[in-house]
Amino acid sequence: QSALTQPASVSGSPGQSITISCTGTSSDVGAYDYVSWYQQYPGKAPKLMIYEISNRPSGVPDRFSGSKSGNTASLAISGLQAEDEADYYCISYTTSRTVVFGGGTKVTVI
Amino acid sequence: EVQLVESGGGLVQPGGSLRLSCAASGFTFSKYWMSWVRQAPGRGLEWVANIMPDGSDKYYVDSVKGRFTISRDNAKNSLYLQMNSLRAEDTSVYYCATNRTRLVYWGQGTLVTVSS
Repeated sequence: QSALTQPASVSGSPGQSITISCTGTSSDVGAYDYVSWYQQYPGKAPKLMIYEISNRPSGVPDRFSGSKSGNTASLAISGLQAEDEADYYCISYTTSRTVVFGGGTKVTVI
Repeated sequence: EVQLVESGGGLVQPGGSLRLSCAASGFTFSKYWMSWVRQAPGRGLEWVANIMPDGSDKYYVDSVKGRFTISRDNAKNSLYLQMNSLRAEDTSVYYCATNRTRLVYWGQGTLVTVSS
């Protein structure tokens, strides 16, 4: 049950696009399309941004998109805005029927 | 409106026990998988456990197996986490959430501090 690998930090200027990777193994990310992404502000509960690789819940801006290739999933944010500055986490279902989170990525809007 | 309200957190000594509760409302609780997720101070999110809608299947992260037990009472729309043999490294905010990986709804969290 090793955590999925995410970059510790990613930064970008307003209006730019950034991508956060989430690397797992053939036993988690590579095995299923059950990868989700969460946004978390300090002191707040996480918020679902993307589920099942690329689906957006209602209310999430279409600036957020998800994809997967092999054992790596990605979250892309286009047209970066100041309000996007937060921590982002990926999560995947595993072949052991458990769930594993990524270590988290701090997005900074510079 | 969906609401998840955790309770039961607090300060406990190493080796002690605590039972967390999560009161659910605004949705058909008995139809959903439910999960516990924790976050140590200044650290990332960690999945702890989840439970099937009827309570018959449960899964845990390795670090809590044999010490924590997830359960639910669908008649009371409530989720529980019994935590025994607590360790300092269990100190975290504990969140309950709906579903397994599509965690749409979350509670506000309850803080568990394990310290002597």
